[in-house]
Amino acid sequence: AQRVTQPEKLLSVFKGAPVELKCNYSYSGSPELFWYVQYSRQRLQLLLRHISRESIKGFTADLNKGETSFHLKKPFAQEEDSAMYYCALSGMNTGFQKLVFGTGTRLLVSP
Amino acid sequence: AAGVIQSPRHLIKEKRETATLKCYPIPRHDTVYWYQQGPGQDPQFLISFYEKMQSDKGSIPDRFSAQQFSDYHSELNMSSLELGDSALYFCASSLQGTGANVLTFGAGSRLTVL
Repeated sequence: AQRVTQPEKLLSVFKGAPVELKCNYSYSGSPELFWYVQYSRQRLQLLLRHISRESIKGFTADLNKGETSFHLKKPFAQEEDSAMYYCALSGMNTGFQKLVFGTGTRLLVSP
Repeated sequence: AAGVIQSPRHLIKEKRETATLKCYPIPRHDTVYWYQQGPGQDPQFLISFYEKMQSDKGSIPDRFSAQQFSDYHSELNMSSLELGDSALYFCASSLQGTGANVLTFGAGSRLTVL
């Protein structure tokens, strides 16, 4: 079965501290992995995807197939990073390329 | 650029009533997805349509139905509403065959059942 696990419901850090939001997945084959962000009262927005290997708003994520992980990292958190972060996967096994979401991690960045 | 438009933004209904949510995808997107996000929950996939045909089905109750019209907009119809149907309903759209399947989400329709 396809599943995305985000073990932390809440991560609270101080501004300037490093951040790592954990994501593990189970999938038979080669999934596509994504991070979506949901700021307060706003829509889900794509933050980044593993195939693009880009850094968005200082965030990066590397797909580790051996550990089946796709952790989201940022070296110096900012207050405006406070939001809900959802890891998600997509692939032929999930159905018609729909996204399967993890339960989300709320990131709180304090001044 | 035009985004995914959802209507209404907020909707309040009573138990056993019906509700209809509408979704207008990004122009030229051919696939529409519906997700339900309960309070403090992750988005749960309900149903999707590709080229006006149902392409996948998730945890959508039998009381709900949906369709995609010729102009690609989609409607989610919910009948015999229950308190547990109170949630944020997201619609997303994508274009198949463009590599990684990136879904663009609408702002959601918040349904409150009293």
